[in-house]
Amino acid sequence: DTEVTQTPKHLVMGMTNKKSLKCEQHMGHRAMYWYKQKAKKPPELMFVYSYEKLSINESVPSRFSPECPNSSLLNLHLHALQPEDSALYLCASSFTQWDQPQHFGDGTRLSIL
Amino acid sequence: AQKVTQAQTEISVVEKEDVTLDCVYETRDTTYYLFWYKQPPSGELVFLIRRNSFDEQNEISGRYSWNFQKSTSSFNFTITASQVVDSAVYFCALLSGAAGNKLTFGGGTRVLVKP
Repeated sequence: DTEVTQTPKHLVMGMTNKKSLKCEQHMGHRAMYWYKQKAKKPPELMFVYSYEKLSINESVPSRFSPECPNSSLLNLHLHALQPEDSALYLCASSFTQWDQPQHFGDGTRLSIL
Repeated sequence: AQKVTQAQTEISVVEKEDVTLDCVYETRDTTYYLFWYKQPPSGELVFLIRRNSFDEQNEISGRYSWNFQKSTSSFNFTITASQVVDSAVYFCALLSGAAGNKLTFGGGTRVLVKP
């Protein structure tokens, strides 16, 4: 069992749907991350929150919208996704952006129809 | 530029064989961290080890061992007496301030351990 919890584990949605991915950690970490991972590729960083503020946005399309309601929670809101957005979405956290390692959740496998 | 290269894309061994995964990195920073992660088929990335740039001591943890050599910019990982449960994709990663404190992953090495 990981200490970073992601829900749901699997998600199938149409291109016009709106859904959200959720991530939670209770390790007191102040940096939280979203990654996208395609099959047979390493994870690609999407967003970093540091002390609940957006620190890094890796030029992610606006159909992905992150939110950090508090230091334990991280959401990724999805709207009008494309089939190429189908991937494994991983959440991670670390004490700070410099004080690592990052601890990863199990991921959400997202399929866009 | 910051880069991590894992030249081996896939390694297949028979149980109880040793397997060594290569990792070569590039960074202009003098202070940096290196990591290894394991990703089993279930998907989560499991942290295995962190090494900072000033600590070149090799490390052993059970059947796992790591060889860090700054002179060749390498951080290799050896699994001794491999087991079927070691089958996974292994990622080497680099963290440095020059890259904005973002992890740079290598391409990963898939290890298949056959019974």
